[in-house]
Amino acid sequence: QVQLVQSGAEVKKPGASVKVSCKASGYTFTSYYMHWVRQAPGQGLEWMGIINPSGGSTSYAQKLQGRVTMTRDTSTSTVYMELSSLRSEDTAVYYCAREGVGGDAFDIWGQGTMVTVSS
Amino acid sequence: SSELTQDPAVSVALGQTVRITCQGDSLRSYYASWYQQKPGQAPVLVIYGKNNRPSGIPDRFSGSSSGNTASLTITGAQAEDEADYYCNSRDSSGKRMVFGGGTKLTVL
Repeated sequence: QVQLVQSGAEVKKPGASVKVSCKASGYTFTSYYMHWVRQAPGQGLEWMGIINPSGGSTSYAQKLQGRVTMTRDTSTSTVYMELSSLRSEDTAVYYCAREGVGGDAFDIWGQGTMVTVSS
Repeated sequence: SSELTQDPAVSVALGQTVRITCQGDSLRSYYASWYQQKPGQAPVLVIYGKNNRPSGIPDRFSGSSSGNTASLTITGAQAEDEADYYCNSRDSSGKRMVFGGGTKLTVL
Protein backbone atom coordinates (compact mmCIF):
# COMPACT_ATOMS: atom_id res chain seq x y z
CA GLN A 1 0.00 0.00 0.00
CA VAL A 2 1.04 3.59 -0.52
CA GLN A 3 2.68 4.96 2.58
CA LEU A 4 5.17 7.46 3.93
CA VAL A 5 7.19 6.43 6.98
CA GLN A 6 9.08 9.10 8.87
CA SER A 7 12.02 8.93 11.24
CA GLY A 8 11.63 9.06 14.99
CA ALA A 9 11.32 11.88 17.49
CA GLU A 10 14.24 14.23 18.06
CA VAL A 11 15.33 16.48 20.92
CA LYS A 12 17.75 19.26 19.98
CA LYS A 13 19.38 22.22 21.67
CA PRO A 14 18.88 25.75 20.39
CA GLY A 15 21.26 26.52 17.54
CA ALA A 16 21.56 22.90 16.44
CA SER A 17 20.24 21.30 13.26
CA VAL A 18 17.80 18.45 12.72
CA LYS A 19 17.30 16.17 9.72
CA VAL A 20 14.02 14.29 9.34
CA SER A 21 13.55 11.51 6.80
CA CYS A 22 10.45 10.32 4.96
CA LYS A 23 10.59 6.98 3.14
CA ALA A 24 8.01 6.39 0.41
CA SER A 25 6.70 3.01 -0.69
CA GLY A 26 3.92 1.57 -2.81
CA TYR A 27 4.23 4.01 -5.73
CA THR A 28 6.72 5.48 -8.20
CA PHE A 29 8.75 7.83 -6.00
CA THR A 30 9.82 10.20 -8.78
CA SER A 31 6.30 10.74 -10.12
CA TYR A 32 4.91 12.81 -7.24
CA TYR A 33 6.09 16.03 -5.60
CA MET A 34 6.62 15.92 -1.84
CA HIS A 35 5.83 18.67 0.65
CA TRP A 36 6.77 19.28 4.25
CA VAL A 37 4.26 20.69 6.74
CA ARG A 38 4.74 21.40 10.43
CA GLN A 39 2.43 21.96 13.38
CA ALA A 40 3.51 23.57 16.62
CA PRO A 41 1.78 22.30 19.79
CA GLY A 42 -1.84 23.47 19.84
CA GLN A 43 -1.38 25.45 16.62
CA GLY A 44 -2.39 25.13 12.98
CA LEU A 45 -0.64 23.63 9.98
CA GLU A 46 2.23 25.51 8.37
CA TRP A 47 3.52 24.76 4.87
CA MET A 48 7.31 24.57 4.78
CA GLY A 49 8.24 23.73 1.22
CA ILE A 50 8.21 21.33 -1.71
CA ILE A 51 10.71 19.07 -3.45
CA ASN A 52 10.47 17.43 -6.84
CA PRO A 53 11.88 13.93 -6.24
CA SER A 54 12.62 13.57 -9.94
CA GLY A 55 15.00 16.46 -10.47
CA GLY A 56 15.52 17.59 -6.88
CA SER A 57 14.28 21.16 -7.40
CA THR A 58 12.87 22.85 -4.33
CA SER A 59 10.81 25.84 -3.21
CA TYR A 60 10.62 26.97 0.40
CA ALA A 61 8.34 29.12 2.53
CA GLN A 62 9.73 32.61 2.72
CA LYS A 63 10.04 32.62 6.52
CA LEU A 64 12.24 29.51 6.44
CA GLN A 65 14.49 30.52 3.53
CA GLY A 66 18.12 30.09 4.50
CA ARG A 67 17.40 27.64 7.34
CA VAL A 68 15.61 24.77 5.57
CA THR A 69 17.00 22.33 3.03
CA MET A 70 15.05 19.55 1.35
CA THR A 71 16.83 16.75 -0.46
CA ARG A 72 16.03 13.33 -1.82
CA ASP A 73 17.68 9.97 -2.42
CA THR A 74 16.07 8.20 -5.35
CA SER A 75 17.93 4.96 -4.60
CA THR A 76 16.02 4.58 -1.33
CA SER A 77 12.86 6.55 -2.22
CA THR A 78 13.51 8.88 0.69
CA VAL A 79 13.15 12.62 1.08
CA TYR A 80 14.86 14.61 3.82
CA MET A 81 14.12 17.90 5.52
CA GLU A 82 16.95 19.60 7.40
CA LEU A 83 16.30 22.66 9.56
CA SER A 84 19.23 24.57 10.99
CA SER A 85 19.76 27.24 13.68
CA LEU A 86 16.92 25.72 15.67
CA ARG A 87 15.01 27.85 18.15
CA SER A 88 12.24 27.04 20.61
CA GLU A 89 9.60 28.17 18.10
CA ASP A 90 10.65 25.29 15.83
CA THR A 91 9.27 22.79 18.35
CA ALA A 92 6.58 21.03 16.32
CA VAL A 93 5.40 17.88 14.64
CA TYR A 94 6.87 17.71 11.14
CA TYR A 95 4.96 15.90 8.39
CA CYS A 96 5.87 14.90 4.87
CA ALA A 97 2.91 14.85 2.48
CA ARG A 98 2.62 13.64 -1.10
CA GLU A 99 1.05 15.91 -3.68
CA GLY A 100 -1.58 13.80 -5.42
CA VAL A 101 -2.49 13.35 -9.05
CA GLY A 102 -4.99 16.22 -9.03
CA GLY A 103 -2.26 18.65 -8.02
CA ASP A 104 -2.27 21.16 -5.18
CA ALA A 105 -3.60 18.61 -2.67
CA PHE A 106 -1.82 16.34 -0.23
CA ASP A 107 -3.29 12.87 -0.55
CA ILE A 108 -0.86 10.81 1.55
CA TRP A 109 0.75 11.96 4.81
CA GLY A 110 3.53 10.57 6.93
CA GLN A 111 2.84 9.77 10.57
CA GLY A 112 4.67 12.86 11.77
CA THR A 113 7.97 13.42 13.60
CA MET A 114 8.07 15.37 16.86
CA VAL A 115 11.02 17.73 17.08
CA THR A 116 11.59 19.35 20.45
CA VAL A 117 14.02 22.26 20.79
CA SER A 118 15.01 22.80 24.39
CA SER A 119 18.09 23.78 26.33
CA SER B 1 -0.85 35.92 9.60
CA SER B 2 -2.32 33.49 7.08
CA GLU B 3 -3.40 34.54 3.58
CA LEU B 4 -6.36 32.18 4.00
CA THR B 5 -8.88 33.07 6.70
CA GLN B 6 -11.11 30.59 8.51
CA ASP B 7 -13.51 30.98 11.42
CA PRO B 8 -11.79 29.54 14.52
CA ALA B 9 -14.79 27.50 15.66
CA VAL B 10 -18.12 26.27 14.33
CA SER B 11 -20.74 24.02 15.87
CA VAL B 12 -23.51 21.90 14.36
CA ALA B 13 -26.28 19.73 15.76
CA LEU B 14 -26.02 16.03 15.04
CA GLY B 15 -27.53 15.25 11.64
CA GLN B 16 -27.67 18.87 10.52
CA THR B 17 -25.73 20.62 7.75
CA VAL B 18 -22.70 22.82 8.40
CA ARG B 19 -20.58 24.98 6.10
CA ILE B 20 -16.97 25.82 6.89
CA THR B 21 -15.53 28.70 4.89
CA CYS B 22 -12.08 29.82 3.78
CA GLN B 23 -11.42 33.30 2.40
CA GLY B 24 -8.46 34.59 0.44
CA ASP B 25 -7.60 36.50 -2.73
CA SER B 26 -5.74 33.53 -4.22
CA LEU B 27 -8.98 31.53 -4.19
CA ARG B 28 -10.15 33.60 -7.14
CA SER B 29 -7.49 31.77 -9.19
CA TYR B 30 -6.85 28.47 -7.42
CA TYR B 31 -8.95 25.72 -5.88
CA ALA B 32 -8.75 24.97 -2.18
CA SER B 33 -8.20 21.55 -0.72
CA TRP B 34 -9.63 20.57 2.68
CA TYR B 35 -8.15 18.45 5.46
CA GLN B 36 -9.69 16.87 8.54
CA GLN B 37 -7.46 16.43 11.57
CA LYS B 38 -8.39 14.61 14.76
CA PRO B 39 -6.31 14.92 17.96
CA GLY B 40 -2.99 13.15 17.77
CA GLN B 41 -3.44 12.17 14.13
CA ALA B 42 -2.05 13.31 10.80
CA PRO B 43 -4.39 15.35 8.59
CA VAL B 44 -6.60 13.54 6.08
CA LEU B 45 -7.56 14.95 2.68
CA VAL B 46 -11.35 15.19 2.36
CA ILE B 47 -11.93 17.49 -0.65
CA TYR B 48 -9.71 18.66 -3.52
CA GLY B 49 -10.10 20.42 -6.85
CA LYS B 50 -13.50 21.64 -7.93
CA ASN B 51 -15.34 19.14 -5.69
CA ASN B 52 -13.51 15.82 -5.56
CA ARG B 53 -13.48 13.30 -2.73
CA PRO B 54 -10.65 10.80 -2.27
CA SER B 55 -11.61 7.16 -2.02
CA GLY B 56 -13.09 6.37 1.37
CA ILE B 57 -14.38 9.86 2.16
CA PRO B 58 -18.16 9.84 2.76
CA ASP B 59 -20.33 11.67 0.26
CA ARG B 60 -21.72 13.91 3.00
CA PHE B 61 -18.54 15.97 2.44
CA SER B 62 -18.65 18.39 -0.50
CA GLY B 63 -16.78 21.47 -1.65
CA SER B 64 -17.65 24.64 -3.53
CA SER B 65 -16.14 27.98 -4.39
CA SER B 66 -17.37 31.47 -5.23
CA GLY B 67 -15.19 34.53 -5.71
CA ASN B 68 -12.61 34.65 -2.94
CA THR B 69 -14.37 32.08 -0.74
CA ALA B 70 -14.09 28.30 -0.70
CA SER B 71 -16.50 26.23 1.35
CA LEU B 72 -16.58 22.75 2.82
CA THR B 73 -20.10 21.49 3.50
CA ILE B 74 -20.98 18.51 5.66
CA THR B 75 -24.56 17.39 5.01
CA GLY B 76 -25.88 15.38 7.92
CA ALA B 77 -22.96 15.81 10.32
CA GLN B 78 -21.99 12.78 12.37
CA ALA B 79 -20.29 12.59 15.75
CA GLU B 80 -17.13 11.31 14.09
CA ASP B 81 -16.90 14.50 12.01
CA GLU B 82 -15.90 16.46 15.11
CA ALA B 83 -12.36 17.59 14.28
CA ASP B 84 -10.23 20.48 13.11
CA TYR B 85 -10.59 21.39 9.44
CA TYR B 86 -7.96 23.21 7.39
CA CYS B 87 -8.13 24.70 3.93
CA ASN B 88 -5.05 24.91 1.73
CA SER B 89 -4.28 26.60 -1.56
CA ARG B 90 -1.60 28.62 -3.30
CA ASP B 91 -0.58 31.99 -1.92
CA SER B 92 -1.14 35.26 -3.77
CA SER B 93 2.10 34.80 -5.75
CA GLY B 94 0.97 31.36 -6.92
CA LYS B 95 4.43 29.99 -6.18
CA ARG B 96 3.92 28.66 -2.67
CA MET B 97 1.23 26.91 -0.68
CA VAL B 98 -0.52 28.24 2.40
CA PHE B 99 -2.94 26.85 5.00
CA GLY B 100 -5.85 28.57 6.63
CA GLY B 101 -5.75 28.93 10.40
CA GLY B 102 -8.15 26.02 10.88
CA THR B 103 -11.73 25.63 12.11
CA LYS B 104 -12.61 23.51 15.13
CA LEU B 105 -15.91 21.76 14.41
CA THR B 106 -18.04 20.67 17.37
CA VAL B 107 -20.95 18.28 16.78
CA LEU B 108 -23.60 18.83 19.46
